[in-house]
Amino acid sequence: QKEVEQDPGPLSVPEGAIVSLNCTYSNSAFQYFMWYRQYSRKGPELLMYTYSSGNKEDGRFTAQVDKSSKYISLFIRDSQPSDSATYLCAMRGGFKTIFGAGTRLFVKA
Amino acid sequence: EAGVAQSPRYKIIEKRQSVAFWCNPISGHATLYWYQQILGQGPKLLIQFQNNGVVDDSQLPKDRFSAERLKGVDSTLKIQPAKLEDSAVYLCASSPNTPDDYGYTFGSGTRLTVV
Repeated sequence: QKEVEQDPGPLSVPEGAIVSLNCTYSNSAFQYFMWYRQYSRKGPELLMYTYSSGNKEDGRFTAQVDKSSKYISLFIRDSQPSDSATYLCAMRGGFKTIFGAGTRLFVKA
Repeated sequence: EAGVAQSPRYKIIEKRQSVAFWCNPISGHATLYWYQQILGQGPKLLIQFQNNGVVDDSQLPKDRFSAERLKGVDSTLKIQPAKLEDSAVYLCASSPNTPDDYGYTFGSGTRLTVV
């Protein structure tokens, strides 16, 4: 079993839709949970992070962590074509950060 | 603030040849990482430096990969000899190593194709 599982997609939605991206994990030692966005032929860029359980909102983006279920989510409201990218979840415990495989998202105009 | 610089952007080599990648992190960032990202997969850590010392190289294939960080700033990653399965994007990232440095800043990567 992989430490971090993420559905690779692709996920295709119309402009304006609410997008839900998810990851599950198996290591209880993870304390920090991040979401990165990666455009084609670019390096990942940090979108959001959350420490332990709870929600965090930043503009159109909301990150949720449920440590009891070992499940994290990223919601994108009013999705735009510019949101089309690969979204990577990442989790950190101590010095160790593990990335998910990424979900490819396409937002159609 | 200048980002993480990497070169070259692309490299095509034949198997068994050698190749080197260069990274210049964000000024003042103590921690530097090299990741390998194979197509369709998430980044996998190869090596982590704290200043010019190695913190974690447990997933670095040491029989063919080597890395160094001179004077705690720039870093080079070398592969010798290359194999077909080394075809990937090699990402460099840095972080400031402060108590809240939960995220990294990545460079655009070097795309390596081994033929």
